[in-house]
Amino acid sequence: AQSVSQHNHHVILSEAASLELGCNYSYGGTVNLFWYVQYPGQHLQLLLKYFSGDPLVKGIKGFEAEFIKSKFSFNLRKPSVQWSDTAEYFCAVIGNTDKLIFGTGTRLQVFP
Amino acid sequence: DAGVTQSPTHLIKTRGQQVTLRCSPKSGHDTVSWYQQALGQGPQFIFQYYEEEERQRGNFPDRFSGHQFPNYSSELNVNALLLGDSALYLCASRSGSDTQYFGPGTRLTVL
Repeated sequence: AQSVSQHNHHVILSEAASLELGCNYSYGGTVNLFWYVQYPGQHLQLLLKYFSGDPLVKGIKGFEAEFIKSKFSFNLRKPSVQWSDTAEYFCAVIGNTDKLIFGTGTRLQVFP
Repeated sequence: DAGVTQSPTHLIKTRGQQVTLRCSPKSGHDTVSWYQQALGQGPQFIFQYYEEEERQRGNFPDRFSGHQFPNYSSELNVNALLLGDSALYLCASRSGSDTQYFGPGTRLTVL
């Protein structure tokens, strides 16, 4: 069965620090990969997605993610976080079942 | 252009009762999926509707059922509510194989 692992459950950073959130998935076939963000009191929003092509994808608000097929990974990065990036971040994958499978999420807290 | 809308926003029920949650997809979207997000967890896929039929289903019991109407809106029904059904229920819509867009969710509390 497809699954997604997010190893960082809670990350605390100061503003301007760099961010990398890990995401690994367990499916050997073709996958579509996503990062969603849930700001406090708001609904899930798409940050970025990978379907095919350049494995380095850029999303909104300065976020990017790199798909490394050999490592089954799709880590999220941002070179300099802001207080407004405080949110819950979810990695998700669609494999051959057309079901969107989410990880358990990473709570990011950014302090000024 | 309205995004995905859900109603009600919050709902409180007691064990054994039945509940119906509603979802209107984003304009132009024909596929609706439902997810359950327990506190501190990621969303869990319940099922997906397309052309008024259930196309995919996750690991949820038959107490969870749904419906899609000709205008693509959808309902999620849960029978014989358990305490463990307390969660945020999310609806997502898409067109074809495009990205899913999520609604704000319905917070269900079962007492």
